Amino acid sequence: DSGVTQTPKHLITATGQRVTLRCSPRSGDLSVYWYQQSLDQGLQFLIQYYNGEERAKGNILERFSAQQFPDLHSELNLSSLELGDSALYFCASSPGVAGGTAQGQFFGPGTRLTVL
Amino acid sequence: AQTVTQSQPEMSVQEAETVTLSCTYDTSESDYYLFWYKQPPSRQMILVIRQEAYKQQNATENRFSVNFQKAAKSFSLKISDSQLGDAAMYFCAYRGSYNTDKLIFGTGTRLQVFP
Repeated sequence: DSGVTQTPKHLITATGQRVTLRCSPRSGDLSVYWYQQSLDQGLQFLIQYYNGEERAKGNILERFSAQQFPDLHSELNLSSLELGDSALYFCASSPGVAGGTAQGQFFGPGTRLTVL
Repeated sequence: AQTVTQSQPEMSVQEAETVTLSCTYDTSESDYYLFWYKQPPSRQMILVIRQEAYKQQNATENRFSVNFQKAAKSFSLKISDSQLGDAAMYFCAYRGSYNTDKLIFGTGTRLQVFP
């Protein structure tokens, strides 16, 4: 158990819909990362938040957005869903930001999104 | 841009034997971090081992060790005394040390362990 929790575990929805994925980082971790794992794109970084502020953006679609709340939990919002958005979405956390330490990122169990 | 390449889509090993998974990367940075993650059938991503590029000594975690060759930009994972529970996808990942914490992953190697 990494200490990172994600809800829900599974989500099935229809095209055009909007969903929210939730993540709680490990106790004490300030950074939260979102990754997408799909068969054709592999594991891709979407976005990072550090202590409530957006820190870095990756290949995140404009239809997707995220935020980190004062209690450090984070939500990833996916809207106008398409079939191709079906994937496993991971949240990860680490204590801080880049520089100085070999901080690994600790992953949650993921949310399996299926868009029909 | 940094890239990570895992050229072995699948590997197999017999229980109690040793197996090495390959990873190469491309970067212009001099300071960075490398990781191996394990993804078993449960799909959970588990951090196996990490290496700081400025350290010449290869990292070791119990039965897992790495062979880090900075000049060759190579970072292989050796699993000794393989166990059935080692069967999983293994991902090599790179993290720069400037301006970004994001992990860049390779495409993974599926390891099968036979009794």
